[in-house]
Formats: sequence, structure tokens, C-alpha cells
Amino acid sequence: DTAVSQTPKYLVTQMGNDKSIKCEQNLGHDTMYWYKQDSKKFLKIMFSYNNKELIINETVPNRFSPKSPDKAHLNLHINSLELGDSAVYFCASRGAGSSGYTFGSGTRLTVV
Amino acid sequence: AQTVTQSQPEMSVQEAETVTLSCTYDTSESDYYLFWYKQPPSRQMILVIRQEAYKQQNATENRFSVNFQKAAKSFSLKISDSQLGDAAMYFCAYISSGTYKYIFGTGTRLKVLA
Repeated sequence: DTAVSQTPKYLVTQMGNDKSIKCEQNLGHDTMYWYKQDSKKFLKIMFSYNNKELIINETVPNRFSPKSPDKAHLNLHINSLELGDSAVYFCASRGAGSSGYTFGSGTRLTVV
Repeated sequence: AQTVTQSQPEMSVQEAETVTLSCTYDTSESDYYLFWYKQPPSRQMILVIRQEAYKQQNATENRFSVNFQKAAKSFSLKISDSQLGDAAMYFCAYISSGTYKYIFGTGTRLKVLA
């Protein structure tokens, strides 16, 4: 069983479209994250939710909106996609009292 | 603000040899953790090793070990007996116990030569 699963793994879409990436974890962790890895492989945090509550919201365009229906799920919705949004998006989770994350396998988003 | 620096964009090592990847960080906090992650071409982020800042003893995981110099804010990764499967991007990461937000270095691409 995959601990942190993201869907889809690949997403190709046109500029201006709206798309969502889903993330689910079956580890019972309280905290989930979205990270963006750009073309130079740099990883930067975008959002974090702890038990459905937003706790980290970095400087991200408001076209990006995370949604956590329950603590096992953290989805990322992106409106009006732009070329610069092309990247790999990683979901991760962390258990209470633990410092380490468990990462999903990433979603490669390509905007054309 | 905390920063993590990996000054080696790319390193090469001969199979079965030893290689050391460098990482330095800057923080004013005393309670934090440091990690090395491996990202192979499959792009999966794989935890290699972790170090708690309050521990003086260097962490070791099989062929992987760290040299943690807290005063110098240095956290290097040594890979012994390098194998072809070690070829990947390696990221150093810092996390404080206050925010639990990873700050990653820019990565080092490791090539293993047969």
C-alpha cells in the first residue's frame, strides 16, 4: 500500500485551464504539505495543513488554493494555469512528534 | 531566516569509492533537525539519513554517514563503497522543531562511474 499517494502522476494542460492534484495519506499523520520543485530542482514549501487547519501559507499566487476535506487528504487546485506553473508538485505528510516527512511520488505538471 | 547551502552542483565518484557531499546551513535556533534526501530519476524523495541537532554523535545508516559540526553549521554526507544505484540528486534539508517546515538546499547531482 502506498503511504502517500498523489494523482495524477503526470498532467499536461493548456494555459488558462483550471486543474486539481489530489493527495491522500494512509499513515494517520496529522500534518500534510505541498512542495513545488522547479526546473532547477529547487524545492520550496507552498502550504501545510494540520488536522484540516491551514498552518503554513507561503508567498504563493492566490490562483493556488489548497483544500483539506479531512486530515488524510490535501488537494491542490490551480486556477488560470500559467507557463511558469510547470513544475513537479510533491505532497508530504508528517506524524505528530516526528520531524521527518513521507513524500508522495510527485505530480509533473506541464502547462503548454 | 534559515538557509541551506549545497556548494557542489555536481559530483562524480568511481564505483566502490567514497564520496562526501557538503552542506552548510544558517540558523539562530538551537532545536532543529537535519536530513539528507535522495532523489533518483524516478523523482521519489527518499530519506537517506537524519540528525538531531542535540545529538553530538554522528548518524550512520549502513554505507551512509554524516559529519555534523554544529558550531560550524556543517552537515556533510559520506557515501562509502559507492554503488551505481547511488546515482541521484541529493538534497540537504533543515527543519526546526518550531515550524516543521523543511528548508532544502539546491541539491548535488551525484554521478557514479562504473
